[in-house]
Amino acid sequence: AQTVTQSQPEMSVQEAETVTLSCTYDTSESDYYLFWYKQPPSRQMILVIRQEAYKQQNATENRFSVNFQKAAKSFSLKISDSQLGDAAMYFCAWTGANSKLTFGKGITLSVRP
Amino acid sequence: EAGVAQSPRYKIIEKRQSVAFWCNPISGHATLYWYQQILGQGPKLLIQFQNNGVVDDSQLPKDRFSAERLKGVDSTLKIQPAKLEDSAVYLCASSRMRGGSPEQFFGPGTRLTVL
Repeated sequence: AQTVTQSQPEMSVQEAETVTLSCTYDTSESDYYLFWYKQPPSRQMILVIRQEAYKQQNATENRFSVNFQKAAKSFSLKISDSQLGDAAMYFCAWTGANSKLTFGKGITLSVRP
Repeated sequence: EAGVAQSPRYKIIEKRQSVAFWCNPISGHATLYWYQQILGQGPKLLIQFQNNGVVDDSQLPKDRFSAERLKGVDSTLKIQPAKLEDSAVYLCASSRMRGGSPEQFFGPGTRLTVL
């Protein structure tokens, strides 16, 4: 069975600084996708970034980038120049051939002004 | 493009009552998902539809939960009778097609409180 592990329940970052959120996963499939979703207090889940397992290049979306280590089954999210609006719960998620998303437990990120 | 719509946003009921949630996916999205998100946890898939057929309902407590997507568009999720442990946010999501672009787009959710 696929599992996604986010071991840090909470993190805090100073505004304008950089923070990295960790995620590991386990799967026996070779073709899959990984995602980071953001869920602000309003609860709307928003896709932040996605990574295809077959791509070696790390995905980047503006201030958000990932460090994808396929052999280590690690998928961390780096947020640069943190903003107050980045405060939210962040979920790491995996999907494979069945298109079913498996989520981690999430991490609560707070941003200090 | 309109997003995934859900209603109601909030619902409070007493245990043993019934409740229904409604979801309208993004136009053209063939796959629809219902998730249960208990406070402080990640969403857990309850059921996945491809058009109006069920693809996966292995995590749906079928003794009390039911879901349908009759015309392959909007969907309803029902709980009857509700238990205290059903208190959660129920999220609906949709994606273009199974096996295609895998991004799922989520609705705002329905927060259910069972007293």
